[in-house]
Amino acid sequence: GAGVSQSPSNKVTEKGKDVELRCDPISGHTALYWYRQSLGQGLEFLIYFQGNSAPDKSGLPSDRFSAERTGGSVSTLTIQRTQQEDSAVYLCASSQRGPNRISYNSPLHFGNGTRLTVT
Amino acid sequence: DAKTTQPNSMESNEEEPVHLPCNHSTISGTDYIHWYRQLPSQGPEYVIHGLTSNVNNRMASLAIAEDRKSSTLILHRATLRDAAVYYCILRDVQLRTGNQGGKLIFGQGTELSVKP
Repeated sequence: GAGVSQSPSNKVTEKGKDVELRCDPISGHTALYWYRQSLGQGLEFLIYFQGNSAPDKSGLPSDRFSAERTGGSVSTLTIQRTQQEDSAVYLCASSQRGPNRISYNSPLHFGNGTRLTVT
Repeated sequence: DAKTTQPNSMESNEEEPVHLPCNHSTISGTDYIHWYRQLPSQGPEYVIHGLTSNVNNRMASLAIAEDRKSSTLILHRATLRDAAVYYCILRDVQLRTGNQGGKLIFGQGTELSVKP
């Protein structure tokens, strides 16, 4: 079946502009995660959604970063007033993780990311 | 968060077994051991996970030490397509504030290269 889809695959923007990154999770997956990966660095957790709510936003680096999820499906990560240090690959993942303990270990399925370059 | 330690890089020959080690001496009772890998220009891919017993699936085997302070991911016959960064991650499945989603905390991983 279809995996996690992210768009655009590449985005070049000027410093100071706002950008929106989109994630379409696997159908039926209630949990959704955003990560980013800077050049040569490991993956950095940003935010977690369960359904439409975000109980863990602890990784968002500043108030310029926000995310929303509608209909328990598509999610959008918005970066306002982009800075050069925001340049990275932004990865989205989804899983079947739900409120019951059996699902707690459900694997994360990642998309191939959006490569953001801020010039 | 409990940490893992992995070698920065390893080399293997094609069609030979590969043993990727991971140390996690501060593992807690609610931590599962997860392995993911990331091929070039792709998002990470789930490989396997376990708690105490050794685990096998179509991709790999996971051998867990009796004291759970270390584990080894075993690729039985390495192929060129197995060249990737392999991440060993402790996933806390305890539902608590700050861990509602069981987020994965990635380290630097082991970069595996496979020679023909």
